[in-house]
Amino acid sequence: QQPVQSPQAVILREGEDAVINCSSSKALYSVHWYRQKHGEAPVFLMILLKGGEQKGHEKISASFNEKKQQSSLYLTASQLSYSGTYFCGTEVQAGTALIFGKGTTLSVSS
Amino acid sequence: NAGVTQTPKFQVLKTGQSMTLQCAQDMNHNSMYWYRQDPGMGLRLIYYSASEGTTDKGEVPNGYNVSRLNKREFSLRLESAAPSQTSVYFCASRQGGSGANVLTFGAGSRLTVL
Repeated sequence: QQPVQSPQAVILREGEDAVINCSSSKALYSVHWYRQKHGEAPVFLMILLKGGEQKGHEKISASFNEKKQQSSLYLTASQLSYSGTYFCGTEVQAGTALIFGKGTTLSVSS
Repeated sequence: NAGVTQTPKFQVLKTGQSMTLQCAQDMNHNSMYWYRQDPGMGLRLIYYSASEGTTDKGEVPNGYNVSRLNKREFSLRLESAAPSQTSVYFCASRQGGSGANVLTFGAGSRLTVL
């Protein structure tokens, strides 16, 4: 079952902050975050595992609430390069496949 | 460059024709995946292979077949293409198993079925 992302779209000015949320109805092993620019493949941003392990880029921060099966991606001091569509992918058990949400489109203007 | 290679990048088919999308990775990953992307629908899993010799259905497997030819290659076949299969197809791979394993995507294959 696809995780639910919110909001569907966000419009920001450079320097503003945004939070993108991802929730699942199932208990999760991991949550992944990817960003996709138009016409390109998705690119890895962050992985959060059950138990607290995280792996990702230095300038990206995210949280994972295991009790609520929710994750949030925090984008601070946004830059033009942050524009794109953000996807969360969830995994219910180690070694199974990632199921992605429908995405959140972020537009940053100067 | 190391990564995931998909062929072809573009393809136009007529309804009822068949074709195979090829995917190869050179990162020695165990797990490989096929997703399709349609506007407003996100990335939907078609099939995946957790390890060489195994394949499993994903969210939208109808109309597709897959073959894990070896550890490097994972192909997706459309036996009788339909207009509803017009989409961008992404192959991806990762190490698999437990742990923080990053999913690496290919550049995508844009398929149009007339």
